[in-house]
Amino acid sequence: DQQVKQNSPSLSVQEGRISILNCDYTNSMFDYFLWYKKYPAEGPTFLISISSIKDKNEDGRFTVFLNKSAKHLSLHIVPSQPGDSAVYFCAASEGAQKLVFGQGTRLTINP
Amino acid sequence: DAGVTQSPTHLIKTRGQQVTLRCSPISGHKSVSWYQQVLGQGPQFIFQYYEKEERGRGNFPDRFSARQFPNYSSELNVNALLLGDSALYLCASSLSGSSYNEQFFGPGTRLTVL
Repeated sequence: DQQVKQNSPSLSVQEGRISILNCDYTNSMFDYFLWYKKYPAEGPTFLISISSIKDKNEDGRFTVFLNKSAKHLSLHIVPSQPGDSAVYFCAASEGAQKLVFGQGTRLTINP
Repeated sequence: DAGVTQSPTHLIKTRGQQVTLRCSPISGHKSVSWYQQVLGQGPQFIFQYYEKEERGRGNFPDRFSARQFPNYSSELNVNALLLGDSALYLCASSLSGSSYNEQFFGPGTRLTVL
């Protein structure tokens, strides 16, 4: 059973526009959510996180929104840059000891 | 500062063989977690070790085992390899055993089972 789902395998956005990546989860016990970015031949790199007691967290061009009632979170990147092209994983913390990852969304920023 | 290092980078084994993967955490980090990433999927949690003790285990068969050494480095062992074990194996380190702390991932070991 996939507790964290990223239903869009890929997303293409024009440079300078907003990129919105979505993630849904089913386990209401998750209390911490993270986004990771992965380039080819590298391990995932932490991007931004949000606690379940918040509904928004912002860090520069990156903002994560959490809608607990809908069990949905999203990552907004504004403005999108070519270097943002990568695979993005959302992850949720279960019991503070492990991360449960989604399948990933490949973001391509077009010049 | 050196990040998380993993060895080997790539590995080819045949079915039934055994494999050992190694991970060195960032200096000062006491927790190491192992993940398996199958092509087209997200990383899946295998084990977490903190202060040389197992803190968590994912839904993997007993063929998978791991340990952490006094210097906090770690090994992941997989016995009786199956074709389905072919994957990228990622190691992540963090300061403590809590996933609320940022986990830093290594580049992974690509295992191919023929």
